[in-house]
Amino acid sequence: AQSVSQHNHHVILSEAASLELGCNYSYGGTVNLFWYVQYPGQHLQLLLKYFSGDPLVKGIKGFEAEFIKSKFSFNLRKPSVQWSDTAEYFCAVNPTGTASKLTFGTGTRLQVTL
Amino acid sequence: ETGVTQSPTHLIKTRGQQVTLRCSSQSGHNTVSWYQQALGQGPQFIFQYYREEENGRGNFPPRFSGLQFPNYSSELNVNALELDDSALYLCASSASGLAGPRDTQYFGPGTRLTVL
Repeated sequence: AQSVSQHNHHVILSEAASLELGCNYSYGGTVNLFWYVQYPGQHLQLLLKYFSGDPLVKGIKGFEAEFIKSKFSFNLRKPSVQWSDTAEYFCAVNPTGTASKLTFGTGTRLQVTL
Repeated sequence: ETGVTQSPTHLIKTRGQQVTLRCSSQSGHNTVSWYQQALGQGPQFIFQYYREEENGRGNFPPRFSGLQFPNYSSELNVNALELDDSALYLCASSASGLAGPRDTQYFGPGTRLTVL
């Protein structure tokens, strides 16, 4: 069975700082990779996804993630965070060839201060 | 907004009772997945329905059951509620029960279940 680790549980940044959230997965085969965001009081929203091709994936709101197969990682980045990025961020995977039975990490709470 | 709706928003039950949660999938989506999100945790996969048939199940006991209807809406039923069942229950729909980019899941707002 696959698993996902998000080592940063709570991150506090000042506005305009750069962001990198770690995500590592454990699985022997190929996977599809996702980042979801949950703003306070709102539902889970898809930020970006990787299925195949260019390992550098661009998503909404200026976020991007890089799939490094050799490191089993899919870290989320943003060059300059805004106060409105305050939210919980979840990394998720599912094995390629299976239908969307996502395995999520425990999430990273990002707090952006003014 | 994803077009996935869930009802009710909140629910309070007592231990031993039964509960039914409902989900309407996004237009054009034929697959519904259910997840349980305990406080401070990521969502955990319960099961998935594709064209009215169960299409995979996570590590949850049989007292968690589901249905999908011809219009692709879905229900999650939990019998003999336990205190640990208190959680946010999320429904997600996707365009295909088959693997691939169309299989991206879009989540509803969830139902917050409290078991006393």
